[in-house]
Amino acid sequence: AQSVTQLDSQVPVFEEAPVELRCNYSSSVSVYLFWYVQYPNQGLQLLLKYLSGSTLVKGINGFEAEFNKSQTSFHLRKPSVHISDTAEYFCAVSLYRSGYSTLTFGKGTMLLVSP
Amino acid sequence: DTAVSQTPKYLVTQMGNDKSIKCEQNLGHDTMYWYKQDSKKFLKIMFSYNNKELIINETVPNRFSPKSPDKAHLNLHINSLELGDSAVYFCASSRQPSTEQYFGPGTRLTVT
Repeated sequence: AQSVTQLDSQVPVFEEAPVELRCNYSSSVSVYLFWYVQYPNQGLQLLLKYLSGSTLVKGINGFEAEFNKSQTSFHLRKPSVHISDTAEYFCAVSLYRSGYSTLTFGKGTMLLVSP
Repeated sequence: DTAVSQTPKYLVTQMGNDKSIKCEQNLGHDTMYWYKQDSKKFLKIMFSYNNKELIINETVPNRFSPKSPDKAHLNLHINSLELGDSAVYFCASSRQPSTEQYFGPGTRLTVT
């Protein structure tokens, strides 16, 4: 079975501070990993993805994530957050079964940026 | 310019009614999906179609029936709506089943 764990349901942080949103996954095979952001009352937008190659992945809006195979983690980081980064962030793993793949999502982490 | 669109954006209806949600993508993708997001923001896959063929059907009640008239459209019909069906439903598409998915804006369904 494959699962995704986002350890923090909510992360409060002050503007311009660094932030890390944690994601751990369990899988017995190689995986594809994704981070999505959901702004209030909107759909999900892809932030970044890891398919293969360099373990440090850069995405949109200044976010980056590092794939760590030994720790089965894919933590999301930003060195300096803005008020506009306030949103729900979802980590997802591509699950391969029956010849096809689908995404399994974590429960999400709400990033709350205050002035 | 909208990549994945859904209609309607909001849907309020009474228990027992039948309703449909439509989804269209103009990205030329082969694979489309329906997800349900509950009140706690948890996202769960419901269905997936690849080239108009159903490839993933999670443990969803038979009252939910997806239909894909062509590769660009995946509609969701729900019979005999129940209170527990209240949620936000997201459509998504991807170039292939294993690549990143692009999501629509969601349809907020409220069953009273």
